[in-house]
Amino acid sequence: GEDVEQSLFLSVREGDSSVINCTYTDSSSTYLYWYKQEPGAGLQLLTYIFSNMDMKQDQRLTVLLNKKDKHLSLRIADTQTGDSAIYFCAEFPTDKLIFGTGTRLQVFP
Amino acid sequence: GAVVSQHPSRVICKSGTSVKIECRSLDFQATTMFWYRQFPKQSLMLMATSNEGSKATYEQGVEKDKFLINHASLTLSTLTVTSAHPEDSSFYICSARGGLAGDEQFFGPGTRLTVL
Repeated sequence: GEDVEQSLFLSVREGDSSVINCTYTDSSSTYLYWYKQEPGAGLQLLTYIFSNMDMKQDQRLTVLLNKKDKHLSLRIADTQTGDSAIYFCAEFPTDKLIFGTGTRLQVFP
Repeated sequence: GAVVSQHPSRVICKSGTSVKIECRSLDFQATTMFWYRQFPKQSLMLMATSNEGSKATYEQGVEKDKFLINHASLTLSTLTVTSAHPEDSSFYICSARGGLAGDEQFFGPGTRLTVL
């Protein structure tokens, strides 16, 4: 199957860490991605992780990959109001991206 | 990163009319372009993949005669929604990859279509 699932909503206080979770089904994906979508806009690639890695850190972003459980997470440190958006994980098993259901992150002061 | 534009950003049309949406790669040659549809509070659904100079490959359940895709050049793809109906109202997003941009897909800002 090609189901990629995420929790729908996450609310955090400014300055706290956010953790967005994703489960995927196709273990053949070479890369797994995180995209950000601001209101009324297209998608922006935030970061990605190669499937043979467990963790990748990129400034405030940390991606953790558990291949055994097919679980991917995105941690945003020191979350800011500008981080409020919808976050999509995506797998790339063949020649097309399969997007998750999206997690709406709301950051409050 | 590479830039992909879409035009128009927003369009309102009457039921039964056709609407054309353009997707352009501004600073790279896009050998492949993708068209997605996004319903409110939902994920992106891939509609079709087009390679320059060849016919688009449509995903299952997407009507090729209703959603006409043309990828005539390495920088331009168009999606025409023919005889649009209110249920076609949605957010349409294109993405492009290829050339010096490598394997990464770059997304356009999207087009909001409202059919009255």
